[in-house]
Order: sequence, then structure tokens, then C-alpha cells
Amino acid sequence: SNSVKQTGQITVSEGASVTMNCTYTSTGYPTLFWYVEYPSKPLQLLQRETMENSKNFGGGNIKDKNSPIVKYSVQVSDSAVYYCLLGESCRMGNNNDMRFGAGTRLTVKP
Amino acid sequence: NAGVTQTPKFQVLKTGQSMTLQCAQDMNHNSMYWYRQDPGMGLRLIYYSASEGTTDKGEVPNGYNVSRLNKREFSLRLESAAPSQTSVYFCASSERGIAADTQYFGPGTRLTVL
Repeated sequence: SNSVKQTGQITVSEGASVTMNCTYTSTGYPTLFWYVEYPSKPLQLLQRETMENSKNFGGGNIKDKNSPIVKYSVQVSDSAVYYCLLGESCRMGNNNDMRFGAGTRLTVKP
Repeated sequence: NAGVTQTPKFQVLKTGQSMTLQCAQDMNHNSMYWYRQDPGMGLRLIYYSASEGTTDKGEVPNGYNVSRLNKREFSLRLESAAPSQTSVYFCASSERGIAADTQYFGPGTRLTVL
């Protein structure tokens, strides 16, 4: 089984840097996705992190059960809901589990 | 390419009515998914179809049925709608249907059950 937790809301001023955390438990082989939902738009993929390429992304190590996303110098247009999605392949068999976090609502003030 | 399309965009039902939400993808993906989105709970998987001809339950399947009509289309049916099914419904597709695959999402259907 797995669970995925995210911070509910973050409010920052334009130009700030912001870190949005995604903490999870995993007993299999995890892949961590970040999606962004802008108003009236479909979810868009921001990044995908597997155990093999975790070193390519700053701010987190998928092996440590936390995989944050960092946005630098945010703009008002970055205001959106950011979701992480944990995809987990089990060690044995072909079972796959996909589970979203509840999302972080980022509000950027001018 | 249109990607993943969903119809209708909005729907209002009365308790006990039935309806079918339609989803289609033009990316030649093998796998398709239905999620519901509720405040404070993120997206939860209702049903998925790993390949044409197969369907499996997700986290919250009760009250729903699905049909994988062909490789392109995956429909979600509410036989007897209840107020608890008021939600935004998202369809998604992926190439292979494994946990490491990127999913591509449709624009959503906003359903209200009175």
C-alpha cells in the first residue's frame, strides 16, 4: 500500500522561490509525477522522476520518500493547483498502483 | 491531435437518473483511466482499462460501470446517480498502462447530482 501527502496551500509574493513537498510511503518501485492544473485547463505534466534519474532533479531524492518540486522566481501566472502522483510497480507480479496527493494550491500575489 | 476529449463538459442530473460520460483519445494509447476529483481529496481512480477488452476497478468503483468500446473510447456510466457522485470527472490515457507511464488528461466533466 502507499499514501501520498501534500501541503494544502501556499501563498507567496511574485519573484519568490517556493518548494512544494510530496511525501509518500512506498514498498515497490515508485515513479513520481508532478502535474499542474490551471483553471479550466487539463492537467499538464511538469516532471516525471524515476529511481534511475532522481539525481537529475534538485531538491529531492525519491529513495528518501520525499520528492519536492521547486519553482524559482514565481509569477502570478504560476498560481494553480499542483498535484503529485505516485505510480508504484510491485516487486512481484504485474500489479500497479497509482495514487494522487490532494494537491497544493499555490497563490502568487503581485 | 486533439489528445483526450471528454463529453459533455457540464451535466446536471436528478437523483436516480442515469447517464454516460464519453472519453476518446487519438494518441493510439493502450490504456485509459477514469478519475473523480473532489475538494481536499485530489483525484481518485474509479476504473481503468489497461488494454482494449480489459477493465479493472480502481480505488472508488462503487456506483459506476465502464465500457472500453474500442482502443480509442472509454465510457463511464452512472446507472442511478446519487448526490455523492457530484464531482469533476477526468479521463486519461497512457501508452502502456504501467505505473511508470505518463498519463495525459482530458479537460474534465463537471457533474452535479441534485
